[in-house]
Amino acid sequence: EVQLVESGGGLVQPGGSLRLSCAASGFTFSDHYMDWVRQAPGKGLEWVGRSRNKANSYTTEYAASVKGRFTISRDDSKNSLYLQMNSLKTEDTAVYYCARSIAPRTRGIGYWGQGTLVTVSS
Amino acid sequence: QSVLTQPPSASGTPGQRVTISCSGSSSNIGSNTVNWYQQLPGTAPKLLIYSNDQRPSGVPDRFSGSKSGTSASLAISGLQSEDEADYYCAAWDDSLTGRVFGGGTKLTVL
Repeated sequence: EVQLVESGGGLVQPGGSLRLSCAASGFTFSDHYMDWVRQAPGKGLEWVGRSRNKANSYTTEYAASVKGRFTISRDDSKNSLYLQMNSLKTEDTAVYYCARSIAPRTRGIGYWGQGTLVTVSS
Repeated sequence: QSVLTQPPSASGTPGQRVTISCSGSSSNIGSNTVNWYQQLPGTAPKLLIYSNDQRPSGVPDRFSGSKSGTSASLAISGLQSEDEADYYCAAWDDSLTGRVFGGGTKLTVL
């Protein structure tokens, strides 16, 4: 069974940093693209970025709204995905979801974690 | 303003058929596949339809998807009260080099 468990959310001041983690299990982690998606309170889904799989050299892509401030990394030996968030703004307040591709060659999002809440406020 | 355009709301009575539209452009829906997600209140999204019209195992065949040109649609037949949720379309956008979502459609079962 695919499981994705996010952690690391919490309250942080504007300008601060936070690192989210996603522990994956139930599948071969290195085979899959992994995404971060966020949802501000009462709003829709917003893509944050993704890490390609091992076969595609783990390259990353980011939404324009977070590029240069957020960094996605992964540790396949720990089956873990990370999101380092720097220079946080109040508009970054959201539930952050870790997500896995449908299949190694079907790169849409197929599985979601339960999410972790990040609140950026003074 | 979302890149993919969905109606903010839709409604139907039990047993009815409802459709939710998703409009995009040549750089997203026009050149990539569309996925649909269901988000029940207070929960994470769940994959409903992938690759335009494919249902993951466990998703009832009451749910179906289609795509034509730069638009896609999600149809729900035999509407049930448990279908009350938010529905999102998504696709890869080649111009933005990123994944884009619709703004979401809140489905109410009357």
